[in-house]
Amino acid sequence: KQEVTQIPAALSVPEGENLVLNCSFTDSAIYNLQWFRQDPGKGLTSLLLIQSSQREQTSGRLNASLDKSSGRSTLYIAASQPGDSATYLCAVISAGNMLTFGGGTRLMVKP
Amino acid sequence: DAGVIQSPRHEVTEMGQEVTLRCKPISGHDYLFWYRQTMMRGLELLIYFNNNVPIDDSGMPEDRFSAKMPNASFSTLKIQPSEPRDSAVYFCASSRGAGNEKLFFGSGTQLSVL
Repeated sequence: KQEVTQIPAALSVPEGENLVLNCSFTDSAIYNLQWFRQDPGKGLTSLLLIQSSQREQTSGRLNASLDKSSGRSTLYIAASQPGDSATYLCAVISAGNMLTFGGGTRLMVKP
Repeated sequence: DAGVIQSPRHEVTEMGQEVTLRCKPISGHDYLFWYRQTMMRGLELLIYFNNNVPIDDSGMPEDRFSAKMPNASFSTLKIQPSEPRDSAVYFCASSRGAGNEKLFFGSGTQLSVL
């Protein structure tokens, strides 16, 4: 059974810092990995999707990398802003099209 | 497109009552998913449909839960009878395909069973 872990569970940084969020998964036989953002009381918004054959994806200040063999992904946020404060979740799709979510990292960017 | 639309946004009910949650996926999306989110267990997949057909319902907690998708633009998740431990945020999500397509979530239904 696929298990997805995110470390740290919570992170507080001053505005302007570059930061890295970590995601690990136990079964490397994945189809893709997605990073989501969730604001309080809201649904999830897909940020980046990395296909299993890809190593990274970039969108603006966000860069996600994937090392399938080691079961790891990182989300890099450059020049963090208070508006980046949210919970970030990673999820992997494995056999059977099952999307398994990590527990999330709650990010607070202080002005 | 308005995105995935869920109703109601909030539902408060008493134990034993029937609860029906509704979802309208994005037009053209073939896959529809129901998730439940709690502090203790995070996001859990309950059931998903492909072209209106239930594919995997192994995440449905017990027989009190049922889901239907009578057409491509509407799905329901029903809990009968409801129990306090069913209190959670229920999300509906849809995608154009499986595997390599982004998942789009609705705003969720906050369910409180007293």
